[in-house]
Amino acid sequence: DAKTTQPTSMDCAEGRAANLPCNHSTISGNEYVYWYRQIHSQGPQYIIHGLKNNETNEMASLIITEDRKSSTLILPHATLRDTAVYYCIVSLNSGGSNYKLTFGKGTLLTVNP
Amino acid sequence: NAGVTQTPKFQVLKTGQSMTLQCAQDMNHEYMSWYRQDPGMGLRLIHYSVGAGITDQGEVPNGYNVSRSTTEDFPLRLLSAAPSQTSVYFCASSYGPYVAYNEQFFGPGTRLTVL
Repeated sequence: DAKTTQPTSMDCAEGRAANLPCNHSTISGNEYVYWYRQIHSQGPQYIIHGLKNNETNEMASLIITEDRKSSTLILPHATLRDTAVYYCIVSLNSGGSNYKLTFGKGTLLTVNP
Repeated sequence: NAGVTQTPKFQVLKTGQSMTLQCAQDMNHEYMSWYRQDPGMGLRLIHYSVGAGITDQGEVPNGYNVSRSTTEDFPLRLLSAAPSQTSVYFCASSYGPYVAYNEQFFGPGTRLTVL
């Protein structure tokens, strides 16, 4: 699986957009970009995923660069409940990696009042 | 739907004891898996199952057994607990087996301490 690089921590003011970057420069053509988050002491929660195109759902938007070497997760109006560790995961769609998500250390996003 | 449920929430064992962590899902998901999460580290896959009667090893399977006799349940057995197995254990499920295509639903976790 491609390795991802994320900042260790970020801060955001409540009500503002939170933009979380992720580098995945070794990504291959059939690897998806996934974002999960983990609120303290809870299980991880799926946010969004994409392959090439930008994606949006009720929780967030995912912007993937044209060369696919990096992406940004956008929480449009961050709330205090969005304080969590955010994981960017590149998931290979073949072979033995079909069945597991490889979680790194993620970015701790702290939303401040 | 209750989603993915795990019991117990907390457990303390002595070295050498055995126990079973329970995981159940009511979403008729084919795929279920167990991860462990240690402080400051990401989640690591222990075992997974792509359907009833089918299981396979993940990254860190030693010291753990699993079975999948029904679609709903995927228990994780610790054969002889060791302090190195102190961790938070998460069960996850998804509709299909390929994580590239399927959102994973996680349970709330079981916090295990082995003394």
